[in-house]
Amino acid sequence: EVQLLESGGGLVQPGGSLRLSCAASGFTFSSYAMSWVRQAPGKGLEWVSNISESSGSKYYADSVKGRFIISRDNSKNTLYLQMNSLRADDTAVYYCAKSMPYFDLWGRGTLVTVSS
Amino acid sequence: EIVLTQSPGTLSLSPGERATLSCRASQSVSSTYLAWYQQKPGQAPRLLIYGASSRATGIPDRFSGSGSGTDFTLTISRLEPEDFAVYYCQQYGRSPLTFGGGTKVEIK
Repeated sequence: EVQLLESGGGLVQPGGSLRLSCAASGFTFSSYAMSWVRQAPGKGLEWVSNISESSGSKYYADSVKGRFIISRDNSKNTLYLQMNSLRADDTAVYYCAKSMPYFDLWGRGTLVTVSS
Repeated sequence: EIVLTQSPGTLSLSPGERATLSCRASQSVSSTYLAWYQQKPGQAPRLLIYGASSRATGIPDRFSGSGSGTDFTLTISRLEPEDFAVYYCQQYGRSPLTFGGGTKVEIK
């Protein structure tokens, strides 16, 4: 089955760190760029970051630049998002998505809550 | 940054009616790099349309997309009960990738 499965979300204090993972299955992971998209509670969608197939190119939204790091391990079919210096406005459901560059496959998401 | 403005914010319609959703871009979207997504409560978004008018795999033909430049439209020809949801447009022609604020299609 073609799917993406995120993990690693949870409650973290402001200023803390968290690493999200996204396990891919059912398709050739190493052949596709991948992205992270987030959605704050009751709000719309916001693109966060994307990474090329071989990790040669990485892009970030201004809101997370310098704090978040996207990476991937093609041998493990896994996408990562290292989130540092977390703020309350980073609270959201984080989705990983296969990039075509439109997003044709999404995971179910993992909730990150930044609160003291 | 390309800002996408969706209208209306909420569309109240009955099953069987036609829905017309608008997405206007602050700058021209290159090569019709415009997609539409459907999102139901508690679920991830689902791709409906890419390239402004191409239906994604498995999407019923009652969904159609049109437009170019700065004005795009998603049309649902006859609303089915499962179509009541929030719809987002997205441009992927220029970084940063951006989404519209969404249009909620609700049952009248």
